[in-house]
Amino acid sequence: KAGVTQTPRYLIKTRGQQVTLSCSPISGHRSVSWYQQTPGQGLQFLFEYFSETQRNKGNFPGRFSGRQFSNSRSEMNVSTLELGDSALYLCASSLAEVSYEQYFGPGTRLTVT
Amino acid sequence: GNSVTQMEGPVTLSEEAFLTINCTYTATGYPSLFWYVQYPGEGLQLLLKATKADDKGSNKGFEATYRKETTSFHLEKGSVQVSDSAVYFCALRRLDSNYQLIWGAGTKLIIKP
Repeated sequence: KAGVTQTPRYLIKTRGQQVTLSCSPISGHRSVSWYQQTPGQGLQFLFEYFSETQRNKGNFPGRFSGRQFSNSRSEMNVSTLELGDSALYLCASSLAEVSYEQYFGPGTRLTVT
Repeated sequence: GNSVTQMEGPVTLSEEAFLTINCTYTATGYPSLFWYVQYPGEGLQLLLKATKADDKGSNKGFEATYRKETTSFHLEKGSVQVSDSAVYFCALRRLDSNYQLIWGAGTKLIIKP
């Protein structure tokens, strides 16, 4: 069974631009969570989707948004990029709504210049 | 509130040494506890878990025991290998309405041959 895939793996953007990251969960998984990982802040929860509905949201500004499609694939969008948005963005999928055991993708490395 | 505290890294050991990575938590009730591992260039993988007090999770030679009296979930391995070099994250699952995972800051482990 294929794991969680994230595209693109690497991305370089300039301040003020926007970016869209994509995540395909493991087949059959209906829950997708997004995390931002930085050396200074560690792993921070962005949001979780289940059956196309946002179930939980972390403490990030409104520039960060996401959605989930009917096939459980998810996208997250960051508008008006700032230098501090440079990070590894991780997607995780799980079978159930309750994020009991999550399976992570390799991440998208975003660099904002 | 809910929180997880891990020992700061990096932790540097020689091959075949005994490993302990400390993790303590603050939470109401009886949360589930997890250890995840992140190998270089990869996403996080679930290493082991424990769902109730005195449970011992184990996998790949690693063990951790859920200690309610000391609110701890320390990770141990009797004989580490170079391939164990990675970042280790302790996490707990909240028991309130959203079941969000709360993460520790991560501990980098370096094993020298």
